[in-house]
Amino acid sequence: AQTVTQSQPEMSVQEAETVTLSCTYDTSESDYYLFWYKQPPSRQMILVIRQEAYKQQNATENRFSVNFQKAAKSFSLKISDSQLGDAAMYFCAYRTNYQLIWGAGTKLIIKP
Amino acid sequence: GAGVSQSPSNKVTEKGKDVELRCDPISGHTALYWYRQSLGQGLEFLIYFQGNSAPDKSGLPSDRFSAERTGGSVSTLTIQRTQQEDSAVYLCASSLPLRGTREFFGPGTRLTVL
Repeated sequence: AQTVTQSQPEMSVQEAETVTLSCTYDTSESDYYLFWYKQPPSRQMILVIRQEAYKQQNATENRFSVNFQKAAKSFSLKISDSQLGDAAMYFCAYRTNYQLIWGAGTKLIIKP
Repeated sequence: GAGVSQSPSNKVTEKGKDVELRCDPISGHTALYWYRQSLGQGLEFLIYFQGNSAPDKSGLPSDRFSAERTGGSVSTLTIQRTQQEDSAVYLCASSLPLRGTREFFGPGTRLTVL
């Protein structure tokens, strides 16, 4: 069965610094998609970044980038120049067909 | 509409009562999902609709839970004889029927069972 593990229940970072959130997953599939979603207190789930497993190049979206290690089944999220608005729960998710499998989330705290 | 909408935003009910939660997906999105998020937890898959195909109900936790999708658009999640453990945020999402496409989420309904 596919599983997604986020080992950091909470992380804190100083504003303007860089932080990395960890995610590992377990699957026997070779073709799949990985996502990072952000959930602020408003509850609205917002897509941060997406990675296709067949692409070796790491996805990047402005200050957000991933380190995708397919052999190690690792998919970490790096946030550069952290801003107060980045404070939220961050969820890693995996999908092969239509169902998303979610990690338990990491609460990110930004210190001003 | 511009995004996925859900109603009500919050629902407080007494144990044993039935509740209905509504989801309006983005127009043209044939795929619709319901998830449950308990306090401090990740999302738990409940049910998936795709067009006119039979829904995947494999995530529904008990037979007290059911969902319908009328006309391929609006969906209603019904919980009968609510229990305190049903208290959670229920999130709806919709997407195009493409494998790698992103899901667009609604703001959720926070259900509190007293």
